[in-house]
Amino acid sequence: DTGVSQNPRHKITKRGQNVTFRCDPISEHNRLYWYRQTLGQGPEFLTYFQNEAQLEKSRLLSDRFSAERPKGSFSTLEIQRTEQGDSAMYLCASSSSGTKEGYTFGSGTRLTVV
Amino acid sequence: LAKTTQPISMDSYEGQEVNITCSHNNIATNDYITWYQQFPSQGPRFIIQGYKTKVTNEVASLFIPADRKSSTLSLPRVSLSDTAVYYCLVGEPRGSGGYQKVTFGIGTKLQVIP
Repeated sequence: DTGVSQNPRHKITKRGQNVTFRCDPISEHNRLYWYRQTLGQGPEFLTYFQNEAQLEKSRLLSDRFSAERPKGSFSTLEIQRTEQGDSAMYLCASSSSGTKEGYTFGSGTRLTVV
Repeated sequence: LAKTTQPISMDSYEGQEVNITCSHNNIATNDYITWYQQFPSQGPRFIIQGYKTKVTNEVASLFIPADRKSSTLSLPRVSLSDTAVYYCLVGEPRGSGGYQKVTFGIGTKLQVIP
């Protein structure tokens, strides 16, 4: 297992377009998180899955954002009608319930909306 | 979620020991203290986690006083490659059916000088 994988690493899109990011967590981890990070700030929580169930969504996650985790494996984060304010690094993390281990983060997808 | 306060930035010369202190006055009984390291264009990386007293691993030490209202991350003999942002987080790593929604602050930007 090579850790948490995110694709693509970089995405440039025009305002108004839809984009989708993918996250492949560590295979034995049942918990998956999405975060957003802008320059100079720490990561901000967006949403959390335990297996295939989306248990919480941040108020930061507007109606244009949707995340899925079918079958409790990989996850996708879609942003519809992108805006320039959506430009950020989108980070995925996974962890295993029942342990004290910290999260394992992926390298992120950097989105630039032009 | 307990709020944390840490210095925005620190400078250190190579080979010195670096101590970064984090305040978390509202820490709850079940909360653990976790530190992450983040390099530019990468996701945060778990460094160390503790509940009380002292924890040491191959990378760092974590000192937590009896009242647990603060903690200190100690990096021995830093090198240029330790230049990064360090985040202190407080929360419950596990719970009976619960989860930890990790909240990152701005972190401490450590600059190691040759």
